[in-house]
Amino acid sequence: QKEVEQNSGPLSVPEGAIASLNCTYSDRGSQSFFWYRQYSGKSPELIMFIYSNGDKEDGRFTAQLNKASQYVSLLIRDSQPSDSATYLCAVRLGNQFYFGTGTSLTVIP
Amino acid sequence: DVKVTQSSRYLVKRTGEKVFLECVQDMDHENMFWYRQDPGLGLRLIYFSYDVKMKEKGDIPEGYSVSREKKERFSLILESASTNQTSMYLCASIRGSQTYNEQFFGPGTRLTVL
Repeated sequence: QKEVEQNSGPLSVPEGAIASLNCTYSDRGSQSFFWYRQYSGKSPELIMFIYSNGDKEDGRFTAQLNKASQYVSLLIRDSQPSDSATYLCAVRLGNQFYFGTGTSLTVIP
Repeated sequence: DVKVTQSSRYLVKRTGEKVFLECVQDMDHENMFWYRQDPGLGLRLIYFSYDVKMKEKGDIPEGYSVSREKKERFSLILESASTNQTSMYLCASIRGSQTYNEQFFGPGTRLTVL
């Protein structure tokens, strides 16, 4: 069973703070890692992906990957109320993707 | 821009009916997927297809079948709908097998089986 674990939350942060979202995965053969944002009633949309150990930055978002610890995280700097959503972690293994159950984030104005 | 479309946003069916959910993508993607999403369970893979007329079972194929007669179209069929198939159904596609290729999702179909 290929598992992707996320804290379901809810996670609440004040506007302007850093939100930290975490994800662990069980299969060491996992090749790449994706963070999706999903607003209520909508489909997931990609925020960013990472496949090498270390950090990857895109605007206010930073993804961090540690393959030895089987851990991937997403940091959101200067959080905005519009960042309030559910964040899904996904890992790719071959042609299949495995998703966590998502972390609900609320940014409080 | 990649576009993945699904035939209906909302659908209400009766128990025992045969239900067809259609998905079309316009970017010549090889791989297409059907998921269902339920609260607390996340996205679960029902079936995927890596080529025309090819299909592979995902984690929860029971009660479903699929059809891929053309590269751009991937259909999900509920042979005899049951109330436990009430869910949000999401179609996705991806080009090729490069590890960094992302999945593009359709808008979803919220199916209610009465």
